[in-house]
Amino acid sequence: GDSVTQMEGPVTLSEEAFLTINCTYTATGYPSLFWYVQYPGEGLQLLLKATKADDKGSNKGFEATYRKETTSFHLEKGSVQVSDSAVYFCALRSPGGYQKVTFGIGTKLQVIP
Amino acid sequence: EAGVTQFPSHSVIEKGQTVTLRCDPISGHDNLYWYRRVMGKEIKFLLHFVKESKQDESGMPNNRFLAERTGGTYSTLKVQPAELEDSGVYFCASSQGTTVNEKLFFGSGTQLSVL
Repeated sequence: GDSVTQMEGPVTLSEEAFLTINCTYTATGYPSLFWYVQYPGEGLQLLLKATKADDKGSNKGFEATYRKETTSFHLEKGSVQVSDSAVYFCALRSPGGYQKVTFGIGTKLQVIP
Repeated sequence: EAGVTQFPSHSVIEKGQTVTLRCDPISGHDNLYWYRRVMGKEIKFLLHFVKESKQDESGMPNNRFLAERTGGTYSTLKVQPAELEDSGVYFCASSQGTTVNEKLFFGSGTQLSVL
């Protein structure tokens, strides 16, 4: 079945540091890939997505590229801010899977001033 | 526009008791989903409603869990009787359609603790 593997964290970075959160997946066919973010006390929000190989999703300075050859979708940001502190979930949805999303374990990011 | 609302935000119950979680989706969203995150593990799909019908309930863990969506508006998820392993965060989500370009809107979750 489908699965998503991501680093568990927590990850602690200083403000303005470079962020990478690794994500790899297993799925049949060509899934759509997502990064969701959960800020403290809030629900999950879609951060970015990519629907086909070599697509790059980007939002709020975050980027991730759909790499079919390595089955990866790593999240990056060049300079993190304290306000980026949250839990980040890598996820996928297989074709025809309605909105049945498969999530990774979530990576907690803490950015310190 | 109001988002997806879940109630209660926290619930602490004893093993063997019954708990009912409620989800109010965004108005007009026919699709409603329940997900669960057990501590330290992935968020797992539980089930999917299209209006009042269960489209997919393959993720429901066992028959102690009962989900309903009478009238195709709000949904409830009842756990009876609750067990320790049911503790976790229960998320509800809704969407208007089901294509890949349809955005999925999540509520802030109900933290359930079974003691």
